[in-house]
Parts: sequence; structure tokens; C-alpha cells
Amino acid sequence: GAGVSQTPSNKVTEKGKYVELRCDPISGHTALYWYRQSLGQGPEFLIYFQGTGAADDSGLPNDRFFAVRPEGSVSTLKIQRTERGDSAVYLCASSLTRDSDTQYFGPGTRLTVL
Amino acid sequence: GQQLNQSPQSMFIQEGEDVSMNCTSSSIFNTWLWYKQDPGEGPVLLIALYKAGELTSNGRLTAQFGITRKDSFLNISASIPSDVGIYFCAGQLWGAGGTSYGKLTFGQGTILTVHP
Repeated sequence: GAGVSQTPSNKVTEKGKYVELRCDPISGHTALYWYRQSLGQGPEFLIYFQGTGAADDSGLPNDRFFAVRPEGSVSTLKIQRTERGDSAVYLCASSLTRDSDTQYFGPGTRLTVL
Repeated sequence: GQQLNQSPQSMFIQEGEDVSMNCTSSSIFNTWLWYKQDPGEGPVLLIALYKAGELTSNGRLTAQFGITRKDSFLNISASIPSDVGIYFCAGQLWGAGGTSYGKLTFGQGTILTVHP
């Protein structure tokens, strides 16, 4: 079956621009997570959704970052006024329920801010 | 943000050798997980541990959940070239009533290189 997919796989943008990163979770998974992975580091939690609502957004670094999941499936991570420090791989994961330990990760979107 | 302390940072070994890596935390977790990440891919779950003191195997992989709930180790026996990759430990904290907070806290990773 299809796994978690993320688009685009690579995104190059200029400082100050707005970007959107998309995540398609595994069908039927109610929980969706966003993580950010900087070079040489492990993934760091950003936000997670249970259904349509953001149950925990404590990992978002500042108010330039925002994420939505309007219909409880696809999610979009939005970054305003991008900065060079936002360059990283943005990973999305989904799991069957919020209580499930098995989070299935997508391949990530590599964001480069010039 | 918080990350777990994972060591060693990298390992260079010969095919057939055993490998050991560990992870420590200043705070308690009640689930420990080990993931492997290949270049250009997301992390893939290898082993999950749910109980302090638990020792779990998955093929050539063995992992243990420390008694203090603040550490875990992963062993790989008889390494093969396809074991190459980055290994991450991750901790997860469950709330009252068994409800998971969901988010994973990761270590910095161990880069494994296997020479044929």
C-alpha cells in the first residue's frame, strides 16, 4: 500500500519568500506529525494533529510557521518570510491513532533558503 | 529543542563484526524506539520497547530499555553491508491513562559504515 508522501521533494527559495510543504498521510491514519531535521541532527518535533485539530504545536519555532489539516487527511506546513536558518529537511509522519507508537515517516522535503 | 544523547556519533566496522550504540536522557520516557534512516529517506522503525528492563530482539538486532527509564542500547550482530545508515534512538512519553502525547524526542544519530 501507499506510504506517507511529501511534495515537493526539494524546494529552493529566496530569503523572505513564502513556502508551502505538503504531506499526504497513510489512508485512515488519524494522527499526523511534522518534524524538522537539520544537517547532522535527529528530527525535532514541530506539531501534531489528531484529526483536523492541532493537538500539540509546542515545537513550532515562531509565528512564521503554521500548519493546517482542514479535512483530517492532507496537511500543509506553511512558512512565511523564510530565513536561511529555516533550511532543513521537513519530515511528515502519520500513525493510526494518537496512542500508536509506530509513526510512519515520509521521505521529507529538503528546503533550501538562499 | 531537547535531544537525547546518543553515542558513538559514528562507527566504522568490518562486515561480520558486532555493533553497539546507546542513548541516554536526563528525563524519563516510557517508550524507547530505535529507527534507521537511509539517505533521502525518512526514518524506519526497527524496534520498540515499552517496559523498563525489557530486552527485545528483531533478527540480528537486540535492544534494551534501561531500568531507570533514562537509557537504551541497540546491538547489531554479524553486521552486513546493508546495515549502513544512520541509527536514531527516540523516546516517547505517555500521559496519565496511557494516552500518548505523540511526539518523539530523537537522539543525534549514529552513522554506521560497514566495510566489506
